[in-house]
Amino acid sequence: DAGVIQSPRHEVTEMGQEVTLRCKPISGHDYLFWYRQTMMRGLELLIYFNNNVPIDDSGMPEDRFSAKMPNASFSTLKIQPSEPRDSAVYFCASTWTGITDTQYFGPGTRLTVL
Amino acid sequence: AQKVTQAQTEISVVEKEDVTLDCVYETRDTTYYLFWYKQPPSGELVFLIRRNSFDEQNEISGRYSWNFQKSTSSFNFTITASQVVDSAVYFCALSEPAGGGADGLTFGKGTHLIIQP
Repeated sequence: DAGVIQSPRHEVTEMGQEVTLRCKPISGHDYLFWYRQTMMRGLELLIYFNNNVPIDDSGMPEDRFSAKMPNASFSTLKIQPSEPRDSAVYFCASTWTGITDTQYFGPGTRLTVL
Repeated sequence: AQKVTQAQTEISVVEKEDVTLDCVYETRDTTYYLFWYKQPPSGELVFLIRRNSFDEQNEISGRYSWNFQKSTSSFNFTITASQVVDSAVYFCALSEPAGGGADGLTFGKGTHLIIQP
């Protein structure tokens, strides 16, 4: 079975540009999570969805960040405008309540904002 | 609020030694889940184990074992006869699901384990 798929794997952009990260969860999973990993802050939860509905976005750092889940197979995390401090690895994870909270992670997107 | 502490930032041992990674958690909930994830140099996060708050039974999987003690709020991870391939960053994490649903994970800062040949 395919795991969580994220694209792109690497993204280099210039400050001020819009960045869109994409995630396809494991088929059948009803929860999707976005995390960010930096050296300073470690792994932190940004937002998560249940059945395509955002449940908790308290971790989204600023209004520059937005996330959507238009259907069960696809989610995006957008940063507009991007800043150098947004440079990080962004992970997407999914789970199914039937297996109670074990989250499976995608390979991550390494974002560099110059 | 929940919190996970991994006091060991980095551990270096020689291959075949046993090593224990410490994890201490804080939560006010009676229902919670604890996890360990491995992050090898390639960067992905690999699930190792999940333990719920009502199951204090220790678990062994090959060279890996986990010791869960609610009395000390600890969930420690031991690797027996370590191998170079065990070199990675290991994260302990906590979730507090409410109403039978899932919840986001709170991670510790991670322990960088270096196994020297």
